Amino acid sequence: NAGVTQTPKFRILKIGQSMTLQCTQDMNHNYMYWYRQDPGMGLKLIYYSVGAGITDKGEVPNGYNVSRSTTEDFPLRLELAAPSQTSVYFCASSPQGSSYNEQFFGPGTRLTVL
Amino acid sequence: QKEVEQNSGPLSVPEGAIASLNCTYSDRGSQSFFWYRQYSGKSPELIMFIYSNGDKEDGRFTAQLNKASQYVSLLIRDSQPSDSATYLCAVMDSSASKIIFGSGTRLSIRP
Repeated sequence: NAGVTQTPKFRILKIGQSMTLQCTQDMNHNYMYWYRQDPGMGLKLIYYSVGAGITDKGEVPNGYNVSRSTTEDFPLRLELAAPSQTSVYFCASSPQGSSYNEQFFGPGTRLTVL
Repeated sequence: QKEVEQNSGPLSVPEGAIASLNCTYSDRGSQSFFWYRQYSGKSPELIMFIYSNGDKEDGRFTAQLNKASQYVSLLIRDSQPSDSATYLCAVMDSSASKIIFGSGTRLSIRP
């Protein structure tokens, strides 16, 4: 199993550009999450999904969009990139329906907006 | 706004000593609590999970939970230089659908 994979690893965007961060998991997990981590800070939840076709906002959803058409994929879309979106983005997944809800993290995407 | 609070550190501990990391949370309905370790430039990895009041031990790590005080702690015995990392406290909220992270405590083990 590859676990949780994210692409790209690094990206530099200009202000106003758009891009999609890809996230795929092969563990058949129903729950998937997108976090951002600013330097020296913890993880802030952007969006999450409890299953295909179902998404919900986290703590910091503004400027982002998500979709969940399959169990495996959970892409994160930035429509109009701003310098405030410079961060490391982590995707995670976890099993369904358990109070022991360990999250498995991808390696992260380091995004810089100039 | 549900919150998870940690002292950012850095916490400096001599090799072989006990490192004590603390965390408080605001959501009284929270049921599950996690400690993640994150090395610089890497993704977080789960090291401890606890959901019952009291202590849970796993090797050199002990997690302690006090729901009445809304307090979670992590003790690392016989600290090693390889324990130097940022430790993230995380709490599953009462809806049981998402996990809220603290900002992390940076731990440094000095030889």
